[in-house]
Formats: sequence, structure tokens, C-alpha cells
Amino acid sequence: GESVGLHLPTLSVQEGDNSIINCAYSNSASDYFIWYKQESGKGPQFIIDIRSNMDKRQGQRVTVLLNKTVKHLSLQIAATQPGDSAVYFCAENGYGAGGGAVGLTFGKGTHLIIQP
Amino acid sequence: NAGVTQTPKFRILKIGQSMTLQCTQDMNHNYMYWYRQDPGMGLKLIYYSVGAGITDKGEVPNGYNVSRSTTEDFPLRLELAAPSQTSVYFCASSSASGTYETQYFGPGTRLLVL
Repeated sequence: GESVGLHLPTLSVQEGDNSIINCAYSNSASDYFIWYKQESGKGPQFIIDIRSNMDKRQGQRVTVLLNKTVKHLSLQIAATQPGDSAVYFCAENGYGAGGGAVGLTFGKGTHLIIQP
Repeated sequence: NAGVTQTPKFRILKIGQSMTLQCTQDMNHNYMYWYRQDPGMGLKLIYYSVGAGITDKGEVPNGYNVSRSTTEDFPLRLELAAPSQTSVYFCASSSASGTYETQYFGPGTRLLVL
């Protein structure tokens, strides 16, 4: 199975409300996590990242929370706007035999739908 | 600054045909990656490169080949196209600053094999 996954395939929220998108990971050795936003027909766009030595990190209207005890990651989007409509992926950094980062392991994604 | 560019944007292939998907980055990144994304799924790593002349397999390398002759370019080759290779292909790059490396993605190439 997938080592990084999301709980809900679709999340519908009212414009102006806060959105919370969840993600579970299974590799306890993972130490770097990233949230990407993918709009229709485009490549993933970096939103925010967090290292395993942190529990919380804030950006502009976005907050990522990391709970290593239960291997859970969440993305909070404040005051959701129509432009936030997209698929959101969490990803964790993978490592090669030499110890260097060699790619990302993605979950299936959550489709965030903004209702007016 | 163009970032990561990919060509073509869309291509239809017949079974057994071959093609090369092009990827170029202008950020002087050492690390480059190829992913595929099937409908409704996350991205899966096909091949990666940690620098010119160095490539290695990812999670789903079968049916593909890569080369890295320059820092900027990382083409992906399909030798005998199969319907199972119908997907959207994304190229990405990141700097070699350590293990915490943000990857930047290109716009993707949509491939249909009939």
C-alpha cells in the first residue's frame, strides 16, 4: 500500500470558512513532509513544508501540523477562497541507498471544493 | 526565470511506438526526477538523477529509460509504448542542499497510448 495517504478524497467547504485536510503516513523514519497544491491541468505547486523536528509551521493563510506520535499531518487553510479549489497532496521525502533525498512519496490527494 | 519546462504538452502514441519526453530546468539544480500520475492518484517516481551522468531507478521504472548528459536536461524515453503507459508525466528538480529539498515541478506531459 501507499506509505503516505489522505483520509478523504473530497472536501467541500464554504467560501470564507477554514479548511482542514488530513494525511496519514506509515514510515516512522520520514523526517520531511510537504504539501502540494495541484490545479487542473497543472503540475504540483509547493505550498508549505515541515521537518520532523517541528510540530507546527505557518505560512500565509496556511498552517501545517505534524503529530509524529500518531504519524499524522494536516494542512489548515484559513478563510478559504475560490482560488483554493484544487487537489492537495501530502508527500514525504524518500531516501536512496546513499542517504540522499531521491524523490517524494505522494498520497492520492484530496479534492478541495469551495462552495459560494 | 522559466523554472522547469516540459515538452510536448500532449501526445498520442500507437502501441509499440517510441518517444522522448523532454525536461529542462534553468535553476542549476543537481537533482531531477520523473514522475507519472495516473487518474485520481498521487505521483509515482519513475527515475531520478543526482547530477549529470548519474541516474537511478525509482518506484516504477519498467518501460522507461533516462539519460542526464547536462545539468539542465533530463529526457525520459519510452521505447515500446504500451496502453499502461497512458498517464501524465511530470518532471521535477531540486537543489543538492541536503535532504530537505523542495521539489519544483513542470507543467506535465499528457500521454495517450492507443
